[in-house]
Amino acid sequence: GAGVSQSPRYKVAKRGQDVALRCDPISGHVSLFWYQQALGQGPEFLTYFQNEAQLDKSGLPSDRFFAERPEGSVSTLKIQRTQQEDSAVYLCASSLYSRPNTGELFFGEGSRLTVL
Amino acid sequence: KQEVTQIPAALSVPEGENLVLNCSFTDSAIYNLQWFRQDPGKGLTSLLLIQSSQREQTSGRLNASLDKSSGRSTLYIAASQPGDSATYLCAVIPSLKRSGAGSYQLTFGKGTKLSVIP
Repeated sequence: GAGVSQSPRYKVAKRGQDVALRCDPISGHVSLFWYQQALGQGPEFLTYFQNEAQLDKSGLPSDRFFAERPEGSVSTLKIQRTQQEDSAVYLCASSLYSRPNTGELFFGEGSRLTVL
Repeated sequence: KQEVTQIPAALSVPEGENLVLNCSFTDSAIYNLQWFRQDPGKGLTSLLLIQSSQREQTSGRLNASLDKSSGRSTLYIAASQPGDSATYLCAVIPSLKRSGAGSYQLTFGKGTKLSVIP
């Protein structure tokens, strides 16, 4: 597609539910990132994939968070047993470069998660 | 740990004014700095990217400068328009020397919310 696509755009979950957020990066982009943006804050790094390999998951806040990109294109961020503090916008970004600091990142519109 | 600060947090200006948004970062060992725009309920749109070896970048009415040694960047918007109203975020990527494997992680500021009044 023309840009990074994320779904669902909005998700309301009851505390304790599991959620799955999907990211469709720009076709051919090697690098894929997930960021978490709380209200009034800048985005914070969660995890990074180079093709299907998850090279860095140091930003995942707890073991309830899990991300995968099995075929090196679409990625899913899964949050188990959601808590209220998980409420945030989850942004996905992709880059053509395997060393993404050599180029720009392209962000999706995000998935806004509200945990009641 | 890198910290990025943006001042002011919010800014309101009349249409047609020139304005400057400020970004400062605590660790000058950066690879590049990027300015983004975020509209309400939307993702981030890249505006300008400045490599650490560059001093400035220009795109249309936007000009971004970088002073790596002092840990500062500014985004200059000329002849502001109501359509420029949005939140502007700056973000840095650390140099390979500083961060090794973590050199792809963007560290963002909290943003400056700009309102341009018609």
